[in-house]
Amino acid sequence: GNSVTQMEGPVTLSEEAFLTINCTYTATGYPSLFWYVQYPGEGLQLLLKATKADDKGSNKGFEATYRKETTSFHLEKGSVQVSDSAVYFCALRDLNDYKLSFGAGTTVTVRA
Amino acid sequence: DAGITQSPRHKVTETGTPVTLRCHQTENHRYMYWYRQDPGHGLRLIHYSYGVKDTDKGEVSDGYSVSRSKTEDFLLTLESATSSQTSVYFCAISEGQGFHEQYFGPGTRLTVT
Repeated sequence: GNSVTQMEGPVTLSEEAFLTINCTYTATGYPSLFWYVQYPGEGLQLLLKATKADDKGSNKGFEATYRKETTSFHLEKGSVQVSDSAVYFCALRDLNDYKLSFGAGTTVTVRA
Repeated sequence: DAGITQSPRHKVTETGTPVTLRCHQTENHRYMYWYRQDPGHGLRLIHYSYGVKDTDKGEVSDGYSVSRSKTEDFLLTLESATSSQTSVYFCAISEGQGFHEQYFGPGTRLTVT
């Protein structure tokens, strides 16, 4: 079956530091890959997505590239801000599937 | 923001009592989902719906039932709440499968004492 593994947190960074959150997946078909973000006390919001191999999703300074050869979708941001403090979830869904498979989430705290 | 509301937003209840959570959408999306979020587990799917009166089980459906009598409403019922059902519950909607994103509601924090 499908599964997502992402790096465990928590991750604590200083403002303007570089952020990487690793995500690898196992899938039987041709999944779309997603990063969701959850700010404190809120629901999940889509941060970015990629629907096929070598696609790069980007939003709000975050980027992730769909790497089929390494089954990875690592999230990166070059210079984080305090407002990026949140929980980040990697997820996948197969082409004809209704279900999103989520990783366990990575808590990121950015200090001023 | 997608028009999804959940009610109640917070609830404390006692073991053995029935509880119903409501999800309401104004987007006319076909698919609706109930997830629970627990530390270390990410989000796990409880039940989902692919149309009015069409529902199916997710990975953690034991102890939960759902109903969808209208496109806009999806109800989650805990027939007899247990402490293991203390969690944050999220509703989500989606236009379709595959690459279509899911939009999430604000969540309901349920505590079973």
